[in-house]
Amino acid sequence: GAVVSQHPSWVICKSGTSVKIECRSLDFQATTMFWYRQFPKQSLMLMATSNEGSKATYEQGVEKDKFLINHASLTLSTLTVTSAHPEDSSFYICSAIPSGQTYGYTFGSGTRLTVV
Amino acid sequence: AQSVTQPDIHITVSEGASLELRCNYSYGATPYLFWYVQSPGQGLQLLLKYFSGDTLVQGIKGFEAEFKRSQSSFNLRKPSVHWSDAAEYFCAVGAWTGNQFYFGTGTSLTVIP
Repeated sequence: GAVVSQHPSWVICKSGTSVKIECRSLDFQATTMFWYRQFPKQSLMLMATSNEGSKATYEQGVEKDKFLINHASLTLSTLTVTSAHPEDSSFYICSAIPSGQTYGYTFGSGTRLTVV
Repeated sequence: AQSVTQPDIHITVSEGASLELRCNYSYGATPYLFWYVQSPGQGLQLLLKYFSGDTLVQGIKGFEAEFKRSQSSFNLRKPSVHWSDAAEYFCAVGAWTGNQFYFGTGTSLTVIP
């Protein structure tokens, strides 16, 4: 089955630094990937849609300059949290769908970000 | 507007007892419905999904869900809960032609011995 790998699983960083999170589709190509954020005790909220070879589409209220998304290949999307602050601490999850399909989303295992 | 409601924030059941987690949705088109489980500190794992056909869907770990269009519901059930089922459960609705998921706020399940 389709597998999506996220790295790192958890990261602690100092306030003001940047952190990069990777989302890889291991056994399929994904034209589109999605990034979600989950606050404690809350559901997942879509942050942005990442499209291979083009700019990401951000949801309303998500700062595109703070959450940089790059989808440089059909198997890799990266989310960079720039100048991280404690309020950015959260659980970030990506999902991907095989190119050409409109169903069959697979979620990564998530990344726990803690900014101190 | 699309939305997913999970009315129960937290449920406690005894090990071996039956379980039903409720999910109601509002969606303007034919919904594609999903249940995910998230263990503490872990990512999401797909339990089951409904696209079409038989409205009773079987999933992994002994879970099943029933789609009731008239009630806009997709409740998750398990006849006998195990202690390892303690986790957060999310219901979600997605579009066939779109590419977005709408998640419920989740139901936290505690299993007591």
